Amino acid sequence: GENVEQHPSTLSVQEGDSAVIKCTYSDSASNYFPWYKQELGKGPQLIIDIRSNVGEKKDQRIAVTLNKTAKHFSLHITETQPEDSAVYFCAASQDYNQGGKLIFGQGTELSVKP
Amino acid sequence: EAQVTQNPRYLITVTGKKLTVTCSQNMNHEYMSWYRQDPGLGLRQIYYSMNVEVTDKGDVPEGYKVSRKEKRNFPLILESPSPNQTSLYFCASSFLLGSNEQFFGPGTRLTVL
Repeated sequence: GENVEQHPSTLSVQEGDSAVIKCTYSDSASNYFPWYKQELGKGPQLIIDIRSNVGEKKDQRIAVTLNKTAKHFSLHITETQPEDSAVYFCAASQDYNQGGKLIFGQGTELSVKP
Repeated sequence: EAQVTQNPRYLITVTGKKLTVTCSQNMNHEYMSWYRQDPGLGLRQIYYSMNVEVTDKGDVPEGYKVSRKEKRNFPLILESPSPNQTSLYFCASSFLLGSNEQFFGPGTRLTVL
């Protein structure tokens, strides 16, 4: 079955710097790749997603890139702020538009130091 | 307010004592799912349901049961909890068509002694 590897497990940056989190997936049939942010004491919340027919997607300070050939995708956060501190999860799914199963990566704990 | 609610939020119990964690959503979602979150392992799916009376196993279903008698509710049942089920549990829901965004509940921290 699908396997998603996420790196790094922890990431510490200075406020204003950029942060990059990378994920690789194993099943070439996966076609939907969301990113979730989990703040302390809360459930994960979708922040951005990308489908396999798109190479890059941007929403203000966050962007996601997808390389289908290499089977990896990345989350980029620019001009980081203390409120970006959280755990971030990548995920992969084969069933976009059908409420399909998500396979999550192990998570990255991002710390933004003021 | 559109939301997924879980109860209880925290629970400490002993081995073998049956328990139920409730999950309810008010967004008319067809798809509901339970995950457990453990350090270094991310979120792993326990069970999911694509509609009323339709449930299926996820990746780690052993020791758990679910039911989906109503569209809005999806309780997680531990018939005989064991210490290896100590974890943080999340319920999530989404539409089946149009969007794959899953909405998560606030989590239930379970400790089995």
